[in-house]
Amino acid sequence: DAKTTQPTSMDCAEGRAANLPCNHSTISGNEYVYWYRQIHSQGPQYIIHGLKNNETNEMASLIITEDRKSSTLILPHATLRDTAVYYCIVRNNDYKLSFGAGTTVTVRA
Amino acid sequence: DTAVSQTPKYLVTQMGNDKSIKCEQNLGHDTMYWYKQDSKKFLKIMFSYNNKELIINETVPNRFSPKSPDKAHLNLHINSLELGDSAVYFCASSSRSRTEAFFGQGTRLTVV
Repeated sequence: DAKTTQPTSMDCAEGRAANLPCNHSTISGNEYVYWYRQIHSQGPQYIIHGLKNNETNEMASLIITEDRKSSTLILPHATLRDTAVYYCIVRNNDYKLSFGAGTTVTVRA
Repeated sequence: DTAVSQTPKYLVTQMGNDKSIKCEQNLGHDTMYWYKQDSKKFLKIMFSYNNKELIINETVPNRFSPKSPDKAHLNLHINSLELGDSAVYFCASSSRSRTEAFFGQGTRLTVV
């Protein structure tokens, strides 16, 4: 699986959009970009995934650059409950998720 | 109803003991996993079963033995527990048709 690079941490103001970047410059054509998050003391939670088109669901939006070497997860209106570690994962269509260190996002009131 | 449930939630045991962690999913998924999250918070896959067959077996000591009696259950048995086995163990499941995985709440294992 391709490796991803994320900032170690970031702060966000409550009610504002949170933009979480991820670099995956070695991604190959059949690899998807997945985002999960882990709220303290809980199991990881799936957020969204995409291949090359931008995706949106009830939780977030995923913007993937045209060359697919980077992506941005957007939480449109961050709340205190969005404080978590966010993981960007690149994988092909197998069953294995390889988690990195992720980005610790702190939403502040 | 909890989608992926693990028992126990906490487990404290002495070195050298044998213990099991149970996992059940009621999502109708055909694939289940065990992940380990150590003190540095890195999540690493240990095993995966698809339709009761082992499909992923990462470099894990053979003291760890997964068992899948049916598609809805994947248990983890650990023999001769060591201090380094202390971690949070997460069970997860997914479906072949939808690739996102659903995780349980974790079992915090402490070996003393």
